[in-house]
Amino acid sequence: DAKTTQPNSMESNEEEPVHLPCNHSTISGTDYIHWYRQLPSQGPEYVIHGLTSNVNNRMASLAIAEDRKSSTLILHRATLRDAAVYYCILRDGLYGNKLVFGAGTILRVKS
Amino acid sequence: DTAVSQTPKYLVTQMGNDKSIKCEQNLGHDTMYWYKQDSKKFLKIMFSYNNKELIINETVPNRFSPKSPDKAHLNLHINSLELGDSAVYFCASSQERGWVVSTGNTIYFGEGSWLTVV
Repeated sequence: DAKTTQPNSMESNEEEPVHLPCNHSTISGTDYIHWYRQLPSQGPEYVIHGLTSNVNNRMASLAIAEDRKSSTLILHRATLRDAAVYYCILRDGLYGNKLVFGAGTILRVKS
Repeated sequence: DTAVSQTPKYLVTQMGNDKSIKCEQNLGHDTMYWYKQDSKKFLKIMFSYNNKELIINETVPNRFSPKSPDKAHLNLHINSLELGDSAVYFCASSQERGWVVSTGNTIYFGEGSWLTVV
């Protein structure tokens, strides 16, 4: 499984945007980029995913580099409820019927 | 209604015992998973079932035996519990189509079952 690299932790102020980076230099052409997050004492939850184009949904935006070797999850206005571990995961487009989690980024949000 | 529900949420048991964790999903999905999150917080897949058929078995000791009586249920039975089995176990489900995955399909996780072996 292709690997991703994320910073161990990041800190943000409430109501400010947060940019969470992810490097995936060995991504293959069939890999989708998925982001999940895990709030304290809860199971992981889906945030967003994309293949080549930037994506937006109600939770976040995903910016994907042109060479697809990196991506950035953007939370437009961080709230205290966004404090969580964020996982960037590559999921194979043909046989990716499992998620391989890395260590993720611990996001702390200050009020 | 909880989409993926697990019971029990907390379980404390002695070494050597046999225990089961139950999982049910009401999303109509055809694929279910068990993940384990250890003390270092790494999440690793253990098993995956698609339409009651085992499709992923990730080098898990034989003491762990999943059972899927139907598409909506995937239970995890653990024999002869060891201290190292202490972890949080997450059940999950998604809508896949056999071996070929529509990778936009979200995987929904339960809230976890905290297992402590003493």
